[in-house]
Amino acid sequence: QVQLQESGPGLVKASETLSLTCTVSGDSITNSYWSWIRQPPAKGLEWIGYIYYTGSTKYNPSLKSRVTISADTSKNQLSLRLSFVTAADTAMYYCARHPYFGMITTGDWFDPWGQGTLVTVSS
Amino acid sequence: QSVLTQPPSVSGAPGQRVTISCTGSSSNIGAGYDVHWYQRLPGTAPKLLISGNTNRPSGVPDRFSGSRSGTSASLAITGLQADDEADYYCQSYDSGLYVFGTGTKVTVL
Repeated sequence: QVQLQESGPGLVKASETLSLTCTVSGDSITNSYWSWIRQPPAKGLEWIGYIYYTGSTKYNPSLKSRVTISADTSKNQLSLRLSFVTAADTAMYYCARHPYFGMITTGDWFDPWGQGTLVTVSS
Repeated sequence: QSVLTQPPSVSGAPGQRVTISCTGSSSNIGAGYDVHWYQRLPGTAPKLLISGNTNRPSGVPDRFSGSRSGTSASLAITGLQADDEADYYCQSYDSGLYVFGTGTKVTVL
């Protein structure tokens, strides 16, 4: 059974960098593409970006200048860094797996998801 | 900034059938991109309910069904049960991004 667990500081100061880790168990991160997704309070879900273990990434243009997603195959972990955060970055952050082995498509869905971690940006 | 619009809430009595619409445009659902559905029970991670418009993953009851037509998609829940009370989200693809619906809260009366 594949499980994803997000972790990181729950409180980040405005203008600083948010750093989160997603630890994957039950599957190797080398098998699939992986995405980060967030949901601000009372708002909808927003796709942040994806990564393949080779380092191939794609980001949401609205966040591209501030976001970095990386992968550590030795720890079977994914990481998210979001710089110069503001109150608008306060959200529940999720990591999730894409469905196909070694392939990314426009028809991808996300399964499974981690439980999510709430990050609050303080002024 | 969700590009897929869902009704904020739907409700029904136990045993009834409810449907949740997901309205997009010619750049997402209307362009032929697949629609997927997720259920998020209170305090839990989103769970895949329907993939590829109509496909139920193993373990998802056949009370849940999906459809797509034109620029919209729908999720139907038949035989509504108390534990179906949750938030539901559609997801598709648009202009190089994976996009989500605004979300619908299903209340069982």
